[in-house]
Amino acid sequence: DTAVSQTPKYLVTQMGNDKSIKCEQNLGHDTMYWYKQDSKKFLKIMFSYNNKELIINETVPNRFSPKSPDKAHLNLHINSLELGDSAVYFCATGETQYFGPGTRLLVL
Amino acid sequence: GNSVTQMEGPVTLSEEAFLTINCTYTATGYPSLFWYVQYPGEGLQLLLKATKADDKGSNKGFEATYRKETTSFHLEKGSVQVSDSAVYFCALETDSWGKLQFGAGTQVVVTP
Repeated sequence: DTAVSQTPKYLVTQMGNDKSIKCEQNLGHDTMYWYKQDSKKFLKIMFSYNNKELIINETVPNRFSPKSPDKAHLNLHINSLELGDSAVYFCATGETQYFGPGTRLLVL
Repeated sequence: GNSVTQMEGPVTLSEEAFLTINCTYTATGYPSLFWYVQYPGEGLQLLLKATKADDKGSNKGFEATYRKETTSFHLEKGSVQVSDSAVYFCALETDSWGKLQFGAGTQVVVTP
C-alpha cells in the first residue's frame, strides 16, 4: 500500500486552464502539506491542513485553493494556470513529513 | 528570519569516498533539524533528524550532529555508493505545526 499517493503524476495543460491535483494518505496523520519545487529544486511550503482545517497559508496567489474533504485527503485546485506555475507539486503528511511521489505540472 | 544554507553542488565523488555536505542555519530558539534525500524522479524521504543540541541523527550510514555553537548540521557518510547519488536537503522546523524551511539542496553524484 502506498502511504502517500498523488494523482495525476504528470499534468500538461494550456495557460488559462483550471486543474486539480489530488493527494491521499493512509497513514492516519492529522496534518497534510502542499509544497512546490521549482526547476532549480528549491522547495517551498504552500499550505498545511490539520484535521481538515487550514493552518499554514504562505504567500501563494489566490488562484491556488486547497481543499480537505476529510483527514485522508488534501487536494489542490489551481485556476487560470500561468507559465510560472510549472513545477513539481508534492504532498506530505505527518510530523516528520512523509512525501508523496510528486505531480509534475507543465503549463504551455 | 529563519534560513538554511547548504553547500552548492553538484558534488562528484568516487565510490567509497567520504562525503560531507555542509549545512548551516539561522533560527530563533532551538528548532528540530532534518536531512531529506530525493532520488531521481521521486519525492523526498526523511534521512535523519535531530531535535536538540548535540543530538546525532543517523541512518543508512549517514550521520549529522546538531551543533548549536556553530549553528550547523553537516551530513557525513564514510563510504558512499553509486546508489547514494541523489539530491540532499537540509531543513529546519520553524513552528509547532511542522512547517519546514528547506535549504536549496545539494546534488551528489557518485561514480563507480
